Amino acid sequence: KAGVTQTPRYLIKTRGQQVTLSCSPISGHRSVSWYQQTPGQGLQFLFEYFSETQRNKGNFPGRFSGRQFSNSRSEMNVSTLELGDSALYLCASSAGSSGNTIYFGEGSWLTVV
Amino acid sequence: AQSVTQLDSQVPVFEEAPVELRCNYSSSVSVYLFWYVQYPNQGLQLLLKYLSGSTLVKGINGFEAEFNKSQTSFHLRKPSVHISDTAEYFCAVSGGGSNYKLTFGKGTLLTVNP
Repeated sequence: KAGVTQTPRYLIKTRGQQVTLSCSPISGHRSVSWYQQTPGQGLQFLFEYFSETQRNKGNFPGRFSGRQFSNSRSEMNVSTLELGDSALYLCASSAGSSGNTIYFGEGSWLTVV
Repeated sequence: AQSVTQLDSQVPVFEEAPVELRCNYSSSVSVYLFWYVQYPNQGLQLLLKYLSGSTLVKGINGFEAEFNKSQTSFHLRKPSVHISDTAEYFCAVSGGGSNYKLTFGKGTLLTVNP
């Protein structure tokens, strides 16, 4: 079956703009989570959604937000982009129970100039 | 709070040599432990995971890891590496119960040389 799909794969934005990233989870998975990966900070958890409800949230400013739709697809939005938001954003999905394998997509590369 | 320490940021080895990538964790609750691999310009792929039971866990591509509760470690091993194993390896932990997020270590870059 198809894996986790993220779009777009690459994008360039200007400081102050906003961006929306999209994620389609593996069919049947109800949990979607988002991570930011940077060379300096490594992999950091942003938030996790299960059945359209945010269950967990990381330590990121309110400029970072997300949502999940009834078909489990998810979007994350970053408003008022800063240079430091340049990163690989990874979406992951799982069945949603503790200990379930979490499968990752290939990520969306965001460059802020 | 949970944390993961990967003791080596880079590990160079020769092809067909054995390798061990070290991982230590700290947590106040029972944990689940994972190793992921990331090839250049790709996402993360699960190598193996420990939930409970046998402390020796076998994964894909010939990798295995041993959970040691007393030493709070989860080291990854492979008896004979290939050039294709060159990648970044991440150890991660998640808490039991309702904690569904992964806390990652900083990663270990494994470089396999001919």
